[in-house]
Amino acid sequence: AQTVTQSQPEMSVQEAETVTLSCTYDTSESDYYLFWYKQPPSRQMILVIRQEAYKQQNATENRFSVNFQKAAKSFSLKISDSQLGDAAMYFCAPNAGGTSYGKLTFGQGTILTVHP
Amino acid sequence: DTAVSQTPKYLVTQMGNDKSIKCEQNLGHDTMYWYKQDSKKFLKIMFSYNNKELIINETVPNRFSPKSPDKAHLNLHINSLELGDSAVYFCASSQGTANTGELFFGEGSRLTVL
Repeated sequence: AQTVTQSQPEMSVQEAETVTLSCTYDTSESDYYLFWYKQPPSRQMILVIRQEAYKQQNATENRFSVNFQKAAKSFSLKISDSQLGDAAMYFCAPNAGGTSYGKLTFGQGTILTVHP
Repeated sequence: DTAVSQTPKYLVTQMGNDKSIKCEQNLGHDTMYWYKQDSKKFLKIMFSYNNKELIINETVPNRFSPKSPDKAHLNLHINSLELGDSAVYFCASSQGTANTGELFFGEGSRLTVL
């Protein structure tokens, strides 16, 4: 079974600064996807960024980027130029790979506070 | 138009009652899911259907019964509700099979059992 660890229950950042959220996971699969989702107070789960495990290049989406270290099973999220709207709970979630359709294992979440 | 919609968004009921949550997606996806988020925000998959066929059934009490009348709909029926069933239930959908992309989530249905 997969395990996912987000070791930072809470993080805070000043507006316009950069923050990194950490995630480590355990999997026996060699090919899988990893995701970061955010959940603002509205409760909606929103995809932030996706990484394919077989790709060495780190994914980037505007101000969001990842540092994917496959051998170390580490998948951290960097948010640059933080904005007030980035305040949310962030979840790291690898999928199970193989034929497990969309079976994501979520970490415990990191609450991000953005200070003006 | 909402891509994945769930009804009701809030549900308060008494222990022992039976309730249903409905989910519909208009994305043309072929796979739908139910996830449960507990009071500590821990999210865990419950069920998954692909083209109306049950493909993931995690260790969930058999009081929970999913039903997929067609690939755009996935409903969750819960019998004999217990206090521990209080949670937010998320419906989600995706396109394709293994190692595919993102899940599209509904807004969640908050169930409170008194």
